[in-house]
Amino acid sequence: ETGVTQTPRHLVMGMTNKKSLKCEQHLGHNAMYWYKQSAKKPLELMFVYNFKEQTENNSVPSRFSPECPNSSHLFLHLHTLQPEDSALYLCASSRNPGLAGVDEQYFGPGTRLTVT
Amino acid sequence: GENVEQHPSTLSVQEGDSAVIKCTYSDSASNYFPWYKQELGKGPQLIIDIRSNVGEKKDQRIAVTLNKTAKHFSLHITETQPEDSAVYFCAASYPGTASKLTFGTGTRLQVTL
Repeated sequence: ETGVTQTPRHLVMGMTNKKSLKCEQHLGHNAMYWYKQSAKKPLELMFVYNFKEQTENNSVPSRFSPECPNSSHLFLHLHTLQPEDSALYLCASSRNPGLAGVDEQYFGPGTRLTVT
Repeated sequence: GENVEQHPSTLSVQEGDSAVIKCTYSDSASNYFPWYKQELGKGPQLIIDIRSNVGEKKDQRIAVTLNKTAKHFSLHITETQPEDSAVYFCAASYPGTASKLTFGTGTRLQVTL
C-alpha cells in the first residue's frame, strides 16, 4: 500500500445525483492532487493543493468541486455529471513540490466512477 | 505546455527477455522523469525516477536512461517475470510552484511463459 486511501472504490451515479469522493494520505505530505484516468488517454491532472491552498485548476468543469480541509484529506464533490465523466479518479500526494523542483507523487487505488 | 509521447502502446515478451519502453518529451525545461507501474485495479505505483543531472539510474532489474539532448528517456526491464505484466507510464515535469506531471499514454507489457 502507498499510504494513500480512497473511498469509495466504485461509484455509480445518475446525472442528477450529488456525490463525493474522499482521499486520505497517511504520509505526512503537504501536496495533494486529483487526476482523471480515461481509457486510452494519458492521466489528466485536474487539481493541485499545496498546504491546503489550491494552486492548480486545469480547466476542470465546475461540476467537479474540490475541497481540501487539511493537508491529509482531499475531497472531490460531484454534481450533474455527464456520461463522459465516467473514468477512474485518482488521488495522489507528495511531500512538497516547492520551488526547488518536483518530488515523488504517490497514488491511491482510485475510484471507478460510472455516470448513467 | 509539455507533451510526452510513449512507445510502444503494447509490448509482449517472453519470460526472461528484456523489455524497453521509450518516451520523448517536448519541453527542454523538464528535469524530472518518473516511471509508474499500474496493475489491474490499482493506482499507479512509482517504480523508478531520474532527474536531469543524471544520465542513467538502476534499481535491480529496472533501469532508466535519459538523453537530454535528444529529449528522450527509456525504461529497461531485464530478466522479465510474469509479475512484471502491467501498464507502464512515463511522465515528465519541471520545477515550479506546483508539481505538474505530464504523462505518456502508457505501455501494456505482457510477459508470457
